[in-house]
Amino acid sequence: EVQLVETGGGLVQPGKSLKLTCATSGFTFSTAWMHWVRQSPEKRLEWIARSKDRSNIYATDYVESVKGRFTISRDDSKSSVYLQMNSLEEEDTATYYCILGLGDYWGQGVMVTVSS
Amino acid sequence: NIVMTQSPKSMSISVGDRVTMNCKASQNVGNNIAWYQQKPGQSPKLLIYYASNRYTGVPDRFTGGGYGTDFTLTINSVQAEDAAFYYCQRIYNSPFTFGSGTRLEIK
Repeated sequence: EVQLVETGGGLVQPGKSLKLTCATSGFTFSTAWMHWVRQSPEKRLEWIARSKDRSNIYATDYVESVKGRFTISRDDSKSSVYLQMNSLEEEDTATYYCILGLGDYWGQGVMVTVSS
Repeated sequence: NIVMTQSPKSMSISVGDRVTMNCKASQNVGNNIAWYQQKPGQSPKLLIYYASNRYTGVPDRFTGGGYGTDFTLTINSVQAEDAAFYYCQRIYNSPFTFGSGTRLEIK
């Protein structure tokens, strides 16, 4: 059974950093392309970042609004993907989802609240 | 960047009715569209990929169509459990932009 479990969310002040972890199981992580997507309190979905697999040199893509602030990374030995979020803004407040491949498997999401 | 525009924003339908919702891309995306269903308190679930392919386990009352810039999701004989938000998403090429969603309410 495929499982994606996000952790690391919480309340953080503007300008601070937070690192999300998505621990996975039930599939061959090393060949998987992984994504992060967030959903605002208003229910708007926004794709944030993608990590390709080793055969694609772990290439990454980002949405313009997080370029230079967020970094997606992965550890194939731990079947985990990460999202390092720096210089957080109130607009980054959302539920963050980890997604496998085409979007057929989503984690349960983790909430991040950026507020002073 | 490509903008995905969904319409209508919300609709109220009776059980047994047929409903069609729309997704319009600001540029030609071929058939690189997915549709998701999200119920309250749940993560989105994949319904349709590459515009018209029904994902495993999705009831055949859900049908996707379209190509290029205009896409549709049709639900034949709507059931009470279909009450949800529905989102389209550009897939295959980055950025994987989502539409703003259509809320389906069952009368």
